[in-house]
Amino acid sequence: ETGVTQTPRHLVMGMTNKKSLKCEQHLGHNAMYWYKQSAKKPLELMFVYNFKEQTENNSVPSRFSPECPNSSHLFLHLHTLQPEDSALYLCASSQEGSNSGNTIYFGEGSWLTVV
Amino acid sequence: GQNIDQPTEMTATEGAIVQINCTYQTSGFNGLFWYQQHAGEAPTFLSYNVLDGLEEKGRFSSFLSRSKGYSYLLLKELQMKDSASYLCAAINDYKLSFGAGTTVTVRA
Repeated sequence: ETGVTQTPRHLVMGMTNKKSLKCEQHLGHNAMYWYKQSAKKPLELMFVYNFKEQTENNSVPSRFSPECPNSSHLFLHLHTLQPEDSALYLCASSQEGSNSGNTIYFGEGSWLTVV
Repeated sequence: GQNIDQPTEMTATEGAIVQINCTYQTSGFNGLFWYQQHAGEAPTFLSYNVLDGLEEKGRFSSFLSRSKGYSYLLLKELQMKDSASYLCAAINDYKLSFGAGTTVTVRA
């Protein structure tokens, strides 16, 4: 139990569907992240939120839309995805930005399959 | 992204020692993490090094050489449960980047 909870754990969606991934952290952290993990590839940072404000968007296609209503919750809205978007999507949080050496804590991830 | 290199796979015997090397760019460097990730689970924090030297935590130790852009994670007295992927992550210019991970398989 890492204190970061993601739902759903598994999602299969068609290319025309709209779905959302949800993340909640119970650690009192101020920064939240979305990462994409594909097989044999480095973790790719997608989005960063600090105190509910988006501070980083790593050139992520607009078919991925993040939402951070408060410091404890983070969503990733998915629309018209492609099969190559199939991956493990990891949510994470840290006290403040990880670039200052603060440890980031990951959720268990949401396995996404686009068919 | 930053170039973080670590071996893809390593295999070792139960009770043995394994050393996982990681190299990274030295420009703008500000710290290095090691994470452990079991299959189907979240990456979990193992260590953070920002100064040169060896940090020991039980069976696991992490070493850093800032001038060489080099770190290693040392796993001693290997147990079957240590079979996992080990991720190296470096902070450069205030950006945290991950390596592709090293899959360690422990055999009886």
